Amino acid sequence: NAGVTQTPKFQVLKTGQSMTLQCAQDMNHEYMSWYRQDPGMGLRLIHYSVGAGITDQGEVPNGYNVSRSTTEDFPLRLLSAAPSQTSVYFCASRVDSTYGYTFGSGTRLTVV
Amino acid sequence: EDKVVQSPLSLVVHEGDTVTLNCSYEVTNFRSLLWYKQEKKAPTFLFMLTSSGIEKKSGRLSSILDKKELSSILNITATQTGDSAIYLCAALTGTASKLTFGTGTRLQVTL
Repeated sequence: NAGVTQTPKFQVLKTGQSMTLQCAQDMNHEYMSWYRQDPGMGLRLIHYSVGAGITDQGEVPNGYNVSRSTTEDFPLRLLSAAPSQTSVYFCASRVDSTYGYTFGSGTRLTVV
Repeated sequence: EDKVVQSPLSLVVHEGDTVTLNCSYEVTNFRSLLWYKQEKKAPTFLFMLTSSGIEKKSGRLSSILDKKELSSILNITATQTGDSAIYLCAALTGTASKLTFGTGTRLQVTL
């Protein structure tokens, strides 16, 4: 198993550009989430999914879209990048309520 | 609004010391309390605590949940430099298994 795979690892965007952060897991996990981590703020939930075709908003969803067409993939789309979206983004997944979340290695995004 | 608070924010200890990290939570529909260790990259899972008063242990690390006090502690005995990291506490809530994180405790272990 590769676990949770995030791509790219680093990205620089100009204000107003759009992009998709990819997240894939090969563990057949139902639950998947996207977090952003900023200094002094901890990890904050952006969007989450409890299974294919089901997504919902977290604490800080504005400016981001997600979809879950398959169990394996959970991409995060930035619609029009803003400097406030400069952050480290983590994708995480879990199989069910008896296990903790497994995190991907993160994407460091800078918006200039 | 769900809230998780960790203390202290940072801590510097000498190798061999014992440390206690604190976590308190105010959330709706609480399910479990999770601890993670974060070094340079992604958080790695340490413990998940669901039942009050039952200690979970892994080597020199142990953790316990107090549901009456809405809190948890993470103990690390005989600290080593490799324990230097940010320790994150998170509350798992609701049927959708949402995680709300605290801001973390930064632990530095010096020689």
